[in-house]
Amino acid sequence: DIQMTQSPSSLSASVGDRVTITCRASQTIGNFLNWYQLKQGQAPNLLIYAAYTVQNAVPSRFSGSGSGTDFTLTISSLQPEDFATYYCQQSHSIPYTFGPGTKLEIK
Amino acid sequence: EVQLVESGGGLVQPGGSLRLSCAASGFTFSSYWMSWVRQAPGKGLEWVANIKQDGSEKYYVDSLKGRFTISRDNAKNSLYLQMNSLRAEDTAVYYCARRMAAADRYNWFDPWGQGTLVTVSS
Repeated sequence: DIQMTQSPSSLSASVGDRVTITCRASQTIGNFLNWYQLKQGQAPNLLIYAAYTVQNAVPSRFSGSGSGTDFTLTISSLQPEDFATYYCQQSHSIPYTFGPGTKLEIK
Repeated sequence: EVQLVESGGGLVQPGGSLRLSCAASGFTFSSYWMSWVRQAPGKGLEWVANIKQDGSEKYYVDSLKGRFTISRDNAKNSLYLQMNSLRAEDTAVYYCARRMAAADRYNWFDPWGQGTLVTVSS
């Protein structure tokens, strides 16, 4: 199975900050990497698929990059509604696996 | 509007069974692979199972094979997860999700339902 790791596990930041979350796969997965946002009590929300394609209706402040084993999710200017937990997920091979999550908190 | 609504969660004793349902609307259900993903309390997301459009192919996370069964009824636009021999560690919010795919094999989950909570406890 492909193991996914994320760093940091938690992050405190302020509105307007630029934030980067890193995701690493235990083996090369090309661009088969997706990012999701999860808020308490809500359905998970797809942000980025295929490593860097921003999903429709997702604000342009979200961007993804990387290939192979190392990926990043960047939020260019944090907004109040962005405080949530973020997960990466590899869709290269079954079993699909997720990173452990990065909790983004208000400083 | 594309929508997925799960139901069927609740409290069940260890060793018991439960059947989750997911009602789909706003899209041609029979054209998509569908999936179940779960999140245990305080834990991350875990993919559970996938099912092909016509139900002819099913895939599971190894740890759940033999206890959980994914199925679908395209006439009812519904996805199911039959869970048997439930254990405390199966306690989680269970989400259904549509598996989107591109021609170049890229795939992702979108949208997701709100989830249904399954609690396994005596």
